[in-house]
Amino acid sequence: SQQGEEDPQALSIQEGENATMNCSYKTSINNLQWYRQNSGRGLVHLILIRSNEREKHSGRLRVTLDTSKKSSSLLITASRAADTASYFCATDIRIKAAGNKLTFGGGTRVLVKP
Amino acid sequence: AAGVIQSPRHLIKEKRETATLKCYPIPRHDTVYWYQQGPGQDPQFLISFYEKMQSDKGSIPDRFSAQQFSDYHSELNMSSLELGDSALYFCASSLRGTSGDGQQYFGPGTRLTVT
Repeated sequence: SQQGEEDPQALSIQEGENATMNCSYKTSINNLQWYRQNSGRGLVHLILIRSNEREKHSGRLRVTLDTSKKSSSLLITASRAADTASYFCATDIRIKAAGNKLTFGGGTRVLVKP
Repeated sequence: AAGVIQSPRHLIKEKRETATLKCYPIPRHDTVYWYQQGPGQDPQFLISFYEKMQSDKGSIPDRFSAQQFSDYHSELNMSSLELGDSALYFCASSLRGTSGDGQQYFGPGTRLTVT
């Protein structure tokens, strides 16, 4: 079963609106990261939040982490057409010293209409 | 700033052929990861190397192998290719230890098409 799952799977909003997507995971984590991917292209790192952090901001992005509920949310404020992409959460569980692989969630496809 | 370099960017192979993908991590990064992303799927971890030693292994088929060389670049070798191997293959690198925060930096990916 997946470590991370995202909700919703797809989101369609108007430019200027806010977009919120959620990520749930199953095991304890070292950190959680959000990535953006334009159709069929590379993964762009957006933000990393550590397990001892509750909220983090970067420009128009706001990420929260609730380790008691094993969930995270990504908020994009004042969305733009250029924000149209798929957004993935990925967890680093670092169960051993070497090789902190990332486990990705299912992704949320965001469409921002002009 | 230098990023992760992957080559080739696109590769077309026939079934049962072999393919080699290359990854050049960010300078001074000591860990390399390989991920596979099938069409409409999320990336899946394949394998990682820390200081040229395999550090973790995911859902990598036995037909695939990988290694990290003395200059830290890594190669993913795929043999007896199957149609289902068609995917985007990402390499990522990171710096571990107290100076690293665990953030992985991804390359642009290699799109492998098996016909």
